[in-house]
Amino acid sequence: DSGVTQTPKHLITATGQRVTLRCSPRSGDLSVYWYQQSLDQGLQFLIHYYNGEERAKGNILERFSAQQFPDLHSELNLSSLELGDSALYFCASSVEGTGGLKGYTFGSGTRLTVV
Amino acid sequence: DAKTTQPPSMDCAEGRAANLPCNHSTISGNEYVYWYRQIHSQGPQYIIHGLKNNETNEMASLIITEDRKSSTLILPHATLRDTAVYYCIVRVAAGNTPLVFGKGTRLSVIA
Repeated sequence: DSGVTQTPKHLITATGQRVTLRCSPRSGDLSVYWYQQSLDQGLQFLIHYYNGEERAKGNILERFSAQQFPDLHSELNLSSLELGDSALYFCASSVEGTGGLKGYTFGSGTRLTVV
Repeated sequence: DAKTTQPPSMDCAEGRAANLPCNHSTISGNEYVYWYRQIHSQGPQYIIHGLKNNETNEMASLIITEDRKSSTLILPHATLRDTAVYYCIVRVAAGNTPLVFGKGTRLSVIA
């Protein structure tokens, strides 16, 4: 157990629908990072939040959005889902805004299947 | 674009040392070398990092060449549970630059 909790572990939904993925960072970590891993794209950085504020954006689609709440948990919202959005979604956390010297601690991921 | 080059795959016999190379010829003076691994669809796991000196922890050793243009991750006694994709990443420790993963090396430990 890494200390980073992601729910749900599995999600199956239909095209056009909207889902919310949740991440609770390790206790004491202020930063949350979201990554998408599909078979043909590898691990792609989506977005980074630090203490409630957006810090960096990667290859995140406009249909996707995220936020970090005062209790530091984060949610990734995916809307108008397409078949190509099927992937593993990982959340990671770190103490500092920069990831610090030891980098990130990853959760076990949410597997999203769009049918 | 990934700043590192790694072989796509490697095999290693169980109990032997696994030596995973990484080229990072354009590394900057303030960039660290990080190694992570991902075991079959689990979340990536931090292994080790270094700036210019060789580093060792309970999981592995990291050897960085003097010119810092390449490095080697060494798993001293590989086990079947070390079968995973290993990612070499260069990154500044400060700033907002996120970890950028390349394709990594798929290490297969064979009994």
